Amino acid sequence: GAVVSQHPSRVICKSGTSVKIECRSLDFQATTMFWYRQFPKQSLMLMATSNEGSKATYEQGVEKDKFLINHASLTLSTLTVTSAHPEDSSFYICSAIEARTSGGSPLHFGNGTRLTVT
Amino acid sequence: AQKITQTQPGMFVQEKEAVTLDCTYDTSDQSYGLFWYKQPSSGEMIFLIYQGSYDEQNATEGRYSLNFQKARKSANLVISASQLGDSAMYFCAMREGPWGYSTLTFGKGTMLLVSP
Repeated sequence: GAVVSQHPSRVICKSGTSVKIECRSLDFQATTMFWYRQFPKQSLMLMATSNEGSKATYEQGVEKDKFLINHASLTLSTLTVTSAHPEDSSFYICSAIEARTSGGSPLHFGNGTRLTVT
Repeated sequence: AQKITQTQPGMFVQEKEAVTLDCTYDTSDQSYGLFWYKQPSSGEMIFLIYQGSYDEQNATEGRYSLNFQKARKSANLVISASQLGDSAMYFCAMREGPWGYSTLTFGKGTMLLVSP
């Protein structure tokens, strides 16, 4: 079945540095990908919608200059957390829609990235 | 108003028993989809079951079934014969709008604990 690969699975970085998270669709083309953030024991919160070849659409309250999203190809979207601070520590997860998905197809999720900023 | 409501922060069940996880939703769209996902402590999201708004029969996938009551706007997940490996967070989600572009709206989740 369709698989979404997210890398890295865990990352620890120092405050002030930037971290890049990759989300790849392995066997399908994804014109649209989504980035979520999840705090412990809470639900997934949509951060932004990433569209191939165009600018990402950010949800209200999400700083676009801090969370840079690049969807350069039909199989790859990246999320860069710039100048990370401890409050950015969280679980980030991406998902992707197949380009020709029907209404009955779920989104395919990556396994998530646990970011810890020290 | 919340689009997806999961009123049970946690549920406890003994192994081999059935359990129902509640989910109600709010939408004005006629066409929508309802999903259940499982999230174990490792963090990945695992798709369990899907119900379309026009599907007349309740969806079933192995031990999972979705009790879809459209008039009440509820989509409860029923897990039969619970197993220890079912212990996880469970999220109900809804998808509205054009299928090719819309994301999912998630509920807050229900933690399920299965005991021996």
